[in-house]
Amino acid sequence: DAKTTQPNSMESNEEEPVHLPCNHSTISGTDYIHWYRQLPSQGPEYVIHGLTSNVNNRMASLAIAEDRKSSTLILHRATLRDAAVYYCILRDLASNTGKLIFGQGTTLQVKP
Amino acid sequence: DTEVTQTPKHLVMGMTNKKSLKCEQHMGHRAMYWYKQKAKKPPELMFVYSYEKLSINESVPSRFSPECPNSSLLNLHLHALQPEDSALYLCASSQDLGAGSPLHFGNGTRLTVT
Repeated sequence: DAKTTQPNSMESNEEEPVHLPCNHSTISGTDYIHWYRQLPSQGPEYVIHGLTSNVNNRMASLAIAEDRKSSTLILHRATLRDAAVYYCILRDLASNTGKLIFGQGTTLQVKP
Repeated sequence: DTEVTQTPKHLVMGMTNKKSLKCEQHMGHRAMYWYKQKAKKPPELMFVYSYEKLSINESVPSRFSPECPNSSLLNLHLHALQPEDSALYLCASSQDLGAGSPLHFGNGTRLTVT
């Protein structure tokens, strides 16, 4: 499976935008880029996913590099509730196994 | 609140006990999953069910026995566990096994083996 690399931790100020990077230099043409987050004492929560084009939803935006070797999750206005571990995960469209394999993720701290 | 309900929220069991973890979803999802998560670590996939049939077992020891009695329910039967099996056990569901189908997770059962 193609691997992702994320910074261990990041800090942000409340009400400011946050850009969470993810490198996936060995991504294949059929890999979806998924983002999940896990708030303290909760199960992981789906945030967003995309294949080639940038994606927006009510929670976040996903910016995908033209060569697809990296992507950025954008939280437009961080709140204290956004403090969580953010996971960038590749899922192969061709495999159809359902596997979602978590890496170490980025721990985001949001300061008031 | 999540749409995937796990019971119990906490469980303490001895190494000779038999217990079961339960997971329920009513979203009409046909794929269900068990994950194990140790403290400060990412979740690790254990089992995947699709249309009530086991499709993936990630080399999980036989003291963990999954069961999918119908499309809404997923159980994890526990027997002769070890203290190192203490962890948060997470259940998830998705529409199907496709890579574009997001997983919906419950908040887990925190298991302590004494």
